[in-house]
Amino acid sequence: DAGVIQSPRHEVTEMGQEVTLRCKPISGHNSLFWYRQTMMRGLELLIYFNNNVPIDDSGMPEDRFSAKMPNASFSTLKIQPSEPRDSAVYFCASSPDYGGNTIYFGEGSWLTVV
Amino acid sequence: LAKTTQPISMDSYEGQEVNITCSHNNIATNDYITWYQQFPSQGPRFIIQGYKTKVTNEVASLFIPADRKSSTLSLPRVSLSDTAVYYCLVVLSGSARQLTFGSGTQLTVLP
Repeated sequence: DAGVIQSPRHEVTEMGQEVTLRCKPISGHNSLFWYRQTMMRGLELLIYFNNNVPIDDSGMPEDRFSAKMPNASFSTLKIQPSEPRDSAVYFCASSPDYGGNTIYFGEGSWLTVV
Repeated sequence: LAKTTQPISMDSYEGQEVNITCSHNNIATNDYITWYQQFPSQGPRFIIQGYKTKVTNEVASLFIPADRKSSTLSLPRVSLSDTAVYYCLVVLSGSARQLTFGSGTQLTVLP
């Protein structure tokens, strides 16, 4: 099993640019999560999909953030325009359970906005 | 949502048993208790999950008293590679409820 695959692993971009983070969940998992981790705020849940449908996006910080899941094997998290305070590690995770009793995380996408 | 409280940090020495306790006073009847481990530069990794009494796997044991208002993760004979952040979560089985990670406990294993 390849696990949750995220890309890019590292990205440095300039303020104002669009950033797109990608995620391939584990095959057969029907729940997908996007988390953001910073030293100040810890690990925050941004959005949660089940069967490709967004269930809860209350953690999405603002309109600059959007997430999509066009099919069961792919999801994107987009930031447009990016700001320095968006610098963080963004984790994608998937779960075979509705509600996510056991969540499997990817390696993360390390984003730096300068 | 059941809020969890755990120590911010703990130190231990190689070969010792480490017990990390998590408080979850308002846990609901159908909630499960789940622990994750996070190494630097990696995503959290599932360790163990339980509902009541005791659960043991190849990595750890989880002790849950009868009132379920707390739980204790036990790591037997820790090594330097067990240095990590350990998170306690209370999860409602089969629910779309948010899966919120607290601050976690930074365990440092010393030689």
